[in-house]
Amino acid sequence: AQSVTQLDSHVSVSEGTPVLLRCNYSSSYSPSLFWYVQHPNKGLQLLLKYTSAATLVKGINGFEAEFKKSETSFHLTKPSAHMSDAAEYFCVVTTYGGATNKLIFGTGTLLAVQP
Amino acid sequence: GAVVSQHPSWVICKSGTSVKIECRSLDFQATTMFWYRQFPKQSLMLMATSNEGSKATYEQGVEKDKFLINHASLTLSTLTVTSAHPEDSSFYICSATARQGVRTEAFFGQGTRLTVV
Repeated sequence: AQSVTQLDSHVSVSEGTPVLLRCNYSSSYSPSLFWYVQHPNKGLQLLLKYTSAATLVKGINGFEAEFKKSETSFHLTKPSAHMSDAAEYFCVVTTYGGATNKLIFGTGTLLAVQP
Repeated sequence: GAVVSQHPSWVICKSGTSVKIECRSLDFQATTMFWYRQFPKQSLMLMATSNEGSKATYEQGVEKDKFLINHASLTLSTLTVTSAHPEDSSFYICSATARQGVRTEAFFGQGTRLTVV
Protein backbone atom coordinates (compact mmCIF):
# COMPACT_ATOMS: atom_id res chain seq x y z
CA ALA A 1 0.00 0.00 0.00
CA GLN A 2 1.09 3.55 -0.64
CA SER A 3 1.64 6.09 2.12
CA VAL A 4 3.48 9.32 2.79
CA THR A 5 4.98 10.63 5.98
CA GLN A 6 5.66 14.30 6.49
CA LEU A 7 8.22 14.40 9.23
CA ASP A 8 7.51 17.90 10.52
CA SER A 9 4.09 19.26 11.38
CA HIS A 10 5.46 22.80 11.75
CA VAL A 11 8.49 24.51 10.23
CA SER A 12 9.48 28.08 10.96
CA VAL A 13 12.09 29.97 8.94
CA SER A 14 13.19 33.54 8.56
CA GLU A 15 12.51 35.42 5.36
CA GLY A 16 15.38 34.96 2.93
CA THR A 17 16.61 31.70 4.45
CA PRO A 18 16.29 28.23 2.88
CA VAL A 19 13.21 26.07 3.27
CA LEU A 20 13.25 22.29 3.70
CA LEU A 21 10.02 20.35 4.09
CA ARG A 22 10.58 16.63 4.48
CA CYS A 23 8.54 13.82 3.00
CA ASN A 24 9.12 10.07 2.93
CA TYR A 25 6.98 7.69 0.96
CA SER A 26 6.14 4.04 0.82
CA SER A 27 4.97 2.47 -2.40
CA SER A 28 4.71 -0.95 -3.96
CA TYR A 29 4.91 0.58 -7.41
CA SER A 30 7.08 3.20 -8.97
CA PRO A 31 5.20 6.14 -7.46
CA SER A 32 4.05 9.47 -8.68
CA LEU A 33 4.60 12.12 -6.05
CA PHE A 34 3.27 15.63 -5.69
CA TRP A 35 3.60 18.64 -3.47
CA TYR A 36 0.54 20.84 -2.99
CA VAL A 37 0.23 24.13 -1.14
CA GLN A 38 -2.86 25.35 0.65
CA HIS A 39 -3.34 28.90 1.86
CA PRO A 40 -5.90 29.47 4.66
CA ASN A 41 -9.46 28.62 3.62
CA LYS A 42 -8.36 28.01 0.06
CA GLY A 43 -8.19 25.01 -2.21
CA LEU A 44 -4.98 23.24 -3.12
CA GLN A 45 -2.47 24.39 -5.69
CA LEU A 46 0.02 22.05 -7.30
CA LEU A 47 3.61 23.09 -6.69
CA LEU A 48 5.34 20.29 -8.55
CA LYS A 49 5.11 16.63 -9.45
CA TYR A 50 7.38 13.66 -10.07
CA THR A 51 6.21 11.07 -12.58
CA SER A 52 9.27 8.92 -13.30
CA ALA A 53 11.08 11.43 -15.47
CA ALA A 54 13.88 13.62 -14.08
CA THR A 55 14.51 13.02 -10.38
CA LEU A 56 15.03 16.71 -9.67
CA VAL A 57 11.75 18.44 -10.24
CA LYS A 58 11.33 22.18 -10.46
CA GLY A 59 8.02 23.73 -9.58
CA ILE A 60 6.38 27.09 -9.29
CA ASN A 61 7.48 29.95 -7.04
CA GLY A 62 11.07 28.72 -6.87
CA PHE A 63 10.31 25.40 -5.19
CA GLU A 64 11.94 22.16 -6.19
CA ALA A 65 12.04 18.59 -4.94
CA GLU A 66 14.33 15.64 -5.49
CA PHE A 67 13.10 12.09 -5.79
CA LYS A 68 15.53 9.75 -4.04
CA LYS A 69 14.53 6.15 -4.45
CA SER A 70 17.29 4.82 -2.20
CA GLU A 71 16.02 7.00 0.64
CA THR A 72 12.32 6.82 -0.33
CA SER A 73 12.25 10.58 0.05
CA PHE A 74 10.80 13.52 -1.85
CA HIS A 75 11.80 16.58 0.17
CA LEU A 76 10.65 20.04 -0.89
CA THR A 77 13.16 22.87 -0.90
CA LYS A 78 13.41 26.54 -1.73
CA PRO A 79 16.65 28.56 -1.54
CA SER A 80 15.10 31.69 -0.08
CA ALA A 81 11.78 31.92 1.77
CA HIS A 82 9.33 34.71 1.08
CA MET A 83 6.57 35.89 3.39
CA SER A 84 4.00 34.73 0.85
CA ASP A 85 5.27 31.15 1.20
CA ALA A 86 3.61 30.86 4.61
CA ALA A 87 0.98 28.15 4.12
CA GLU A 88 0.24 24.47 4.62
CA TYR A 89 2.13 22.04 2.39
CA PHE A 90 1.03 18.53 1.56
CA CYS A 91 3.11 15.71 0.15
CA VAL A 92 0.97 13.34 -1.89
CA VAL A 93 1.45 9.95 -3.52
CA THR A 94 -0.82 8.49 -6.13
CA THR A 95 -2.02 4.93 -6.10
CA TYR A 96 -2.39 3.31 -9.45
CA GLY A 97 -4.14 0.17 -10.47
CA GLY A 98 -7.80 -0.61 -10.76
CA ALA A 99 -10.19 1.80 -12.35
CA THR A 100 -9.37 4.91 -10.43
CA ASN A 101 -6.33 6.68 -9.14
CA LYS A 102 -6.41 7.91 -5.56
CA LEU A 103 -4.33 10.56 -3.91
CA ILE A 104 -2.88 9.68 -0.54
CA PHE A 105 -2.13 12.82 1.47
CA GLY A 106 0.48 13.34 4.11
CA THR A 107 -0.57 15.05 7.31
CA GLY A 108 0.76 18.39 6.16
CA THR A 109 3.50 20.77 7.23
CA LEU A 110 2.63 24.27 8.29
CA LEU A 111 5.32 26.66 7.14
CA ALA A 112 5.72 29.92 9.03
CA VAL A 113 7.96 32.65 7.65
CA GLN A 114 9.26 35.20 10.12
CA PRO A 115 10.20 38.71 8.97
CA GLY B 1 -3.60 24.30 -15.87
CA ALA B 2 -7.13 23.00 -15.90
CA VAL B 3 -9.76 24.73 -13.79
CA VAL B 4 -12.12 23.17 -11.29
CA SER B 5 -14.78 25.44 -9.86
CA GLN B 6 -16.47 24.63 -6.58
CA HIS B 7 -19.59 26.39 -5.40
CA PRO B 8 -20.47 27.77 -2.94
CA SER B 9 -17.22 28.78 -1.30
CA TRP B 10 -18.94 29.02 2.04
CA VAL B 11 -22.37 28.19 3.39
CA ILE B 12 -24.12 28.42 6.74
CA CYS B 13 -27.18 26.26 7.26
CA LYS B 14 -29.50 25.26 10.04
CA SER B 15 -29.27 21.88 11.66
CA GLY B 16 -31.52 19.37 9.92
CA THR B 17 -31.42 20.99 6.50
CA SER B 18 -29.57 19.73 3.44
CA VAL B 19 -26.79 21.46 1.57
CA LYS B 20 -25.61 20.85 -1.98
CA ILE B 21 -22.07 21.57 -3.11
CA GLU B 22 -21.19 21.67 -6.80
CA CYS B 23 -17.90 20.81 -8.42
CA ARG B 24 -17.41 21.69 -12.08
CA SER B 25 -14.52 21.08 -14.43
CA LEU B 26 -14.53 24.17 -16.62
CA ASP B 27 -12.20 23.27 -19.45
CA PHE B 28 -11.87 19.50 -19.48
CA GLN B 29 -13.96 16.39 -19.13
CA ALA B 30 -13.58 14.89 -15.69
CA THR B 31 -14.16 11.18 -15.81
CA THR B 32 -13.33 10.91 -12.13
CA MET B 33 -14.03 13.30 -9.28
CA PHE B 34 -13.02 12.98 -5.68
CA TRP B 35 -14.57 14.49 -2.59
CA TYR B 36 -12.46 15.26 0.45
CA ARG B 37 -13.16 16.54 3.90
CA GLN B 38 -10.67 18.53 5.87
CA PHE B 39 -10.94 19.13 9.60
CA PRO B 40 -9.23 22.16 11.10
CA LYS B 41 -5.45 21.88 11.00
CA GLN B 42 -5.63 18.37 9.59
CA SER B 43 -4.97 16.70 6.29
CA LEU B 44 -7.51 15.88 3.63
CA MET B 45 -9.59 12.78 4.14
CA LEU B 46 -10.94 11.12 1.02
CA MET B 47 -14.67 10.62 1.35
CA ALA B 48 -15.63 9.13 -1.98
CA THR B 49 -14.65 8.62 -5.57
CA SER B 50 -17.15 9.39 -8.26
CA ASN B 51 -17.02 8.17 -11.84
CA GLU B 52 -19.31 9.69 -14.42
CA GLY B 53 -22.48 7.71 -14.91
CA SER B 54 -21.93 5.27 -12.07
CA LYS B 55 -22.44 5.14 -8.34
CA ALA B 56 -19.84 6.71 -6.13
CA THR B 57 -17.42 4.54 -4.18
CA TYR B 58 -17.31 5.59 -0.55
CA GLU B 59 -14.38 5.21 1.79
CA GLN B 60 -14.78 3.17 4.92
CA GLY B 61 -16.63 5.04 7.62
CA VAL B 62 -18.31 7.54 5.30
CA GLU B 63 -22.10 7.33 5.36
CA LYS B 64 -23.33 7.17 1.78
CA ASP B 65 -26.89 8.06 2.79
CA LYS B 66 -25.70 11.19 4.50
CA PHE B 67 -23.24 12.33 1.85
CA LEU B 68 -25.01 11.88 -1.46
CA ILE B 69 -22.81 12.15 -4.52
CA ASN B 70 -24.04 12.54 -8.05
CA HIS B 71 -21.78 12.63 -11.09
CA ALA B 72 -24.32 12.99 -13.86
CA SER B 73 -22.09 14.55 -16.48
CA LEU B 74 -18.42 14.75 -17.40
CA THR B 75 -18.19 18.27 -16.03
CA LEU B 76 -20.31 18.23 -12.90
CA SER B 77 -20.36 16.34 -9.63
CA THR B 78 -22.43 17.30 -6.61
CA LEU B 79 -22.13 16.46 -2.93
CA THR B 80 -25.28 16.81 -0.85
CA VAL B 81 -24.96 16.78 2.91
CA THR B 82 -28.35 15.57 4.06
CA SER B 83 -29.89 16.46 7.41
CA ALA B 84 -26.78 18.36 8.36
CA HIS B 85 -25.66 18.55 11.97
CA PRO B 86 -23.01 20.71 13.63
CA GLU B 87 -20.51 17.84 13.50
CA ASP B 88 -20.75 17.99 9.70
CA SER B 89 -19.21 21.46 9.80
CA SER B 90 -15.98 21.21 7.88
CA PHE B 91 -14.08 22.23 4.78
CA TYR B 92 -15.05 20.14 1.76
CA ILE B 93 -12.85 20.00 -1.32
CA CYS B 94 -13.39 18.32 -4.66
CA SER B 95 -10.84 17.32 -7.23
CA ALA B 96 -11.09 16.06 -10.77
CA THR B 97 -8.93 14.04 -13.09
CA ALA B 98 -9.28 13.77 -16.80
CA ARG B 99 -8.35 10.16 -17.34
CA GLN B 100 -8.15 6.89 -15.47
CA GLY B 101 -5.17 4.62 -15.17
CA VAL B 102 -2.77 7.30 -16.39
CA ARG B 103 -0.24 9.26 -14.40
CA THR B 104 -2.18 12.46 -14.56
CA GLU B 105 -2.69 15.46 -12.34
CA ALA B 106 -5.68 16.06 -10.12
CA PHE B 107 -7.09 19.57 -10.14
CA PHE B 108 -8.70 20.91 -7.02
CA GLY B 109 -11.65 23.16 -6.41
CA GLN B 110 -11.38 26.13 -4.08
CA GLY B 111 -13.18 24.31 -1.30
CA THR B 112 -16.45 24.92 0.54
CA ARG B 113 -16.57 25.94 4.16
CA LEU B 114 -19.74 24.45 5.65
CA THR B 115 -20.98 25.67 9.01
CA VAL B 116 -24.03 24.03 10.52
CA VAL B 117 -25.70 25.99 13.31
